[in-house]
Amino acid sequence: DAGVTQSPTHLIKTRGQQVTLRCSPKSGHDTVSWYQQALGQGPQFIFQYYEEEERQRGNFPDRFSGHQFPNYSSELNVNALLLGDSALYLCASSFQRRPGSYEQYFGPGTRLTVT
Amino acid sequence: AQTVTQSQPEMSVQEAETVTLSCTYDTSENNYYLFWYKQPPSRQMILVIRQEAYKQQNATENRFSVNFQKAAKSFSLKISDSQLGDTAMYFCAFMMPYSGNTPLVFGKGTRLSVIA
Repeated sequence: DAGVTQSPTHLIKTRGQQVTLRCSPKSGHDTVSWYQQALGQGPQFIFQYYEEEERQRGNFPDRFSGHQFPNYSSELNVNALLLGDSALYLCASSFQRRPGSYEQYFGPGTRLTVT
Repeated sequence: AQTVTQSQPEMSVQEAETVTLSCTYDTSENNYYLFWYKQPPSRQMILVIRQEAYKQQNATENRFSVNFQKAAKSFSLKISDSQLGDTAMYFCAFMMPYSGNTPLVFGKGTRLSVIA
């Protein structure tokens, strides 16, 4: 059973550039959530995608956008990168249509460094 | 808004001993879910244990158990017979049980070191 996968593992970008991170959910899952984890902090919720639409959003600027594809995989895009965007970006998947199912399974993350 | 507080930034324990990690949360809701996640140096966030607020019985998973005190809004994790592989960051997390999935709200974490 394939777990949540993310690519790339590491990424170095320059201020002002744009970046795209990718996530494939656990087999059978239909919902993808993205979290930002700054160094020494707990993860912070960015947004969640279900049925190819953004369903919920945390307190992040519009520079952060996303997409979900028909196969449930997802992308996180960040425009006009700032030094403060340097963080570990975690993807979590879950199964929204199963009653009583609420657990989120995390991928290994993408470490983004902005210089 | 819900908040989660972990007051112990770092803890250490001798191998085979027992350690308890603390977590408190703030919510006005009556029904919710609580979790403990483990994040080893590999960065993969792994679910350790979960607790539904409507259940009075404390959850247990092998060497891991929780002490859930709903009135006190406290949710501590006890690790028995600590092993070197338990060395990791531990995060307490809160989730509202609305239809569909809701975001996890995490604490800042506790770094646990198991010493041989």
